[in-house]
Parts: sequence; C-alpha cells; structure tokens
Amino acid sequence: DGGITQSPKYLFRKEGQNVTLSCEQNLNHDAMYWYRQDPGQGLRLIYYSQIVNDFQKGDIAEGYSVSREKKESFPLTVTSAQKNPTAFYLCASSIPQGANTGELFFGEGSRLTVL
Amino acid sequence: RKEVEQDPGPFNVPEGATVAFNCTYSNSASQSFFWYRQDCRKEPKLLMSVYSSGNEDGRFTAQLNRASQYISLLIRDSKLSDSATYLCVVNMELNYGQNFVFGPGTRLSVLP
Repeated sequence: DGGITQSPKYLFRKEGQNVTLSCEQNLNHDAMYWYRQDPGQGLRLIYYSQIVNDFQKGDIAEGYSVSREKKESFPLTVTSAQKNPTAFYLCASSIPQGANTGELFFGEGSRLTVL
Repeated sequence: RKEVEQDPGPFNVPEGATVAFNCTYSNSASQSFFWYRQDCRKEPKLLMSVYSSGNEDGRFTAQLNRASQYISLLIRDSKLSDSATYLCVVNMELNYGQNFVFGPGTRLSVLP
C-alpha cells in the first residue's frame, strides 16, 4: 500500500531541545511539504521541497529546518529557536507539477507537546 | 485580506438537513480547487476536487465561480458522520512548484 508515514505520532519535549519528525513516502512523489496546525486554525506551510536536494521556506520557517537527501524522505527538525512549537505537524506530498490533479496526500500527523 | 476565506462556523444542523459552505480566494491565477475533510485530531483527506462545470459525488456538490473567485460545497441529507471540519484549498502552479493555500476551515456538527 502506497502512502505517507509520519513518526512519532506523539512526542513530548522539554524546552530547549531539538526534535526531529520523520516523514517517509512510497508514492514516488517529487514534491513534499510540512505544515503546522494549531487548534481551531488552518494549515500553515513551514517548508516544502519540489525535488531531491532542494527545499524552500514556507510562511513560518523560522525555528525549523529540513533536509531532502532522498526522494522518499523529508524530515523536519523543530529547533530550540522555535518559540511556540506545541502543535500538530502534517507532512504531505503531491504528484509532479504539471501532471496534475494537484491533490495533496497527507500522513497521519505528529503531535508535539513542549513541557 | 486573507488568501482563502471561509464561513467562520460552526454550523450545527439536524440530521437530514442541507448545508452549504462558502469559500472565496484572492488570487485570480489560482488553478485548481479542492474541498478537504478533517476529522478531529486527524489528517485532512480529500473530499472532492472542484471543477468549473461543477461536480457532484453522491450527496456532495461542489461549484466554482472563477469570475467571482468563489467556491461552494453543498451537503444534502446530512448524516451524523458528516460532522467534521471542511477545508477549502486553492492551488496555484508556480515556476518553483505548486502552492497549496488552505482556508481556516468550517466546522460542521450534525445533530441527532
């Protein structure tokens, strides 16, 4: 079954610690995205990558970092510089530009709580 | 002005009711449009794409008006299981890739 796998599903962290959220897809999609969702709000784009070894900042990239060394993987690191990291983090992928329904496929999300 | 705006909600309706959600977008270059459904504490899932000619899937009908930059979703004969947040999503292809912009969502509660 093709899909997107995020881990861990729940994560607790102390202030000042960096944490890395995993996102793996076997859909052969070029484009991958990280979104953040706060309670009662819509999704906001953190980072996205259209192709391996390339990524771009989204609307709220400060305090986050990513890498895209493999097509299948797009991990997100929440650094200690992120002032309010408690949120629901969603990874998504989409079929190549131009190909296109434009649909986004989501993982089940990672819920990060800072203690 | 926000890029994608939706009815603020929440909508509380009885079972069997017909309910309509509205969405407006600001960028006239937007190319594709979607309604996603998100259950509480879950990931969004595609409900339906929205085409200029309008499209229907069972009890759900989506409409797009490009001139007015307006998208709608109509749910007929609502079921308890329709209770969720409905997200309007607008996509624009750019030179550097695709830009998906999400509305804040409209929460629907269908009551017995």
